[in-house]
Amino acid sequence: GDSVTQMEGPVTLSEEAFLTINCTYTATGYPSLFWYVQYPGEGLQLLLKATKADDKGSNKGFEATYRKETTSFHLEKGSVQVSDSAVYFCALSPYNFNKFYFGSGTKLNVKP
Amino acid sequence: DTGVSQDPRHKITKRGQNVTFRCDPISEHNRLYWYRQTLGQGPEFLTYFQNEAQLEKSRLLSDRFSAERPKGSFSTLEIQRTEQGDSAMYLCASSLWQGATGNQPQHFGDGTRLSIL
Repeated sequence: GDSVTQMEGPVTLSEEAFLTINCTYTATGYPSLFWYVQYPGEGLQLLLKATKADDKGSNKGFEATYRKETTSFHLEKGSVQVSDSAVYFCALSPYNFNKFYFGSGTKLNVKP
Repeated sequence: DTGVSQDPRHKITKRGQNVTFRCDPISEHNRLYWYRQTLGQGPEFLTYFQNEAQLEKSRLLSDRFSAERPKGSFSTLEIQRTEQGDSAMYLCASSLWQGATGNQPQHFGDGTRLSIL
């Protein structure tokens, strides 16, 4: 069945460091891919999305490219800030968009 | 866009009691989803509605769980005879389904945290 695997955390970085959070997926057909962010005590917020192969989603300095050949959607940011500290979830939605499948989340801690 | 709102934010109850949660989606959204999230895990799909019709239920949704969306607007999730294992964050999300053009991303509420004593 459809699923998402993302790197385990926590990931601890210093401010202005480069961030990569790996995400790979298994799906039939052509799913859409998403990254959501969750701050403590809050719900999930959409960070970025990509709906077809080779699409690049970007928002707030974060980027992820839909790689069908490697079934991956890795999240990157060139220079993280303390305010980026949160839990990041990779998710996929099958072509018929009935529901989302989420990874287990990666906690990011950014130190000043 | 006032966002998805959920009520209550926190619920503490004794094992065996019934609880009901409410979700108010973004007004123009026709799809509504319920998820359960346990500590350190991603949300797990429970069920979803398109307008007032419940179109899919996960195997996670035991007979003690029931969800409704009677007028195609707000939804309720009821858990009967609660058990310790029901302790979790219950998240609601909504989206706009536009047929062949596909679904827009889901917008999540802040969730209801359920604690079973």
